[in-house]
Amino acid sequence: GAGVSQSPSNKVTEKGKDVELRCDPISGHTALYWYRQSLGQGLEFLIYFQGNSAPDKSGLPSDRFSAERTGGSVSTLTIQRTQQEDSAVYLCASSPRTGDSPLHFGNGTRLTVT
Amino acid sequence: DAKTTQPPSMDCAEGRAANLPCNHSTISGNEYVYWYRQIHSQGPQYIIHGLKNNETNEMASLIITEDRKSSTLILPHATLRDTAVYYCIVRVHYGGSQGNLIFGKGTKLSVKP
Repeated sequence: GAGVSQSPSNKVTEKGKDVELRCDPISGHTALYWYRQSLGQGLEFLIYFQGNSAPDKSGLPSDRFSAERTGGSVSTLTIQRTQQEDSAVYLCASSPRTGDSPLHFGNGTRLTVT
Repeated sequence: DAKTTQPPSMDCAEGRAANLPCNHSTISGNEYVYWYRQIHSQGPQYIIHGLKNNETNEMASLIITEDRKSSTLILPHATLRDTAVYYCIVRVHYGGSQGNLIFGKGTKLSVKP
């Protein structure tokens, strides 16, 4: 079946511009996570959504980062006034529910800020 | 910070078993051991998880020591396509961070012909 879909797969933007990254989770999955991975590094948690509950934003690195999830499905991660240190692969994952379900990851959006 | 320790890299001959160790000496009673792998340019892929009993599925086996302070992921017959970074993660299922995964640096497994 269809997995987690992320778009675009690659994005190049100029420093100072805003970008939006999209994630389409697996249908029926209520939990959605955003991570980012800088070159040669491990994954860094950003934000987590579960159903209609308030999202866990504890991993967002600054107030330039925000995310929303509309209708409990598609999610958009927005980065305002991008900086070069924002360059990374941004990964989205979903799971059927919180807790004991493995996360299913997309292949990410590679963001390059020039 | 990640609560696990893994060797940064390992080699394995094609067709042989790959045994990837992980130390998690501070694991809590309600934390599970999860393994994921990440092949170049792809998102992480779930492999297996367990609490205290050994587990086996079509991809791998997970051996957890009786004191739960360490575990080993076993790929019984490694192929070139198993070359990847393997992440060992401890994760609480309910409460706390609501199941968030904290990734460390993992072990880069190179399967050689």
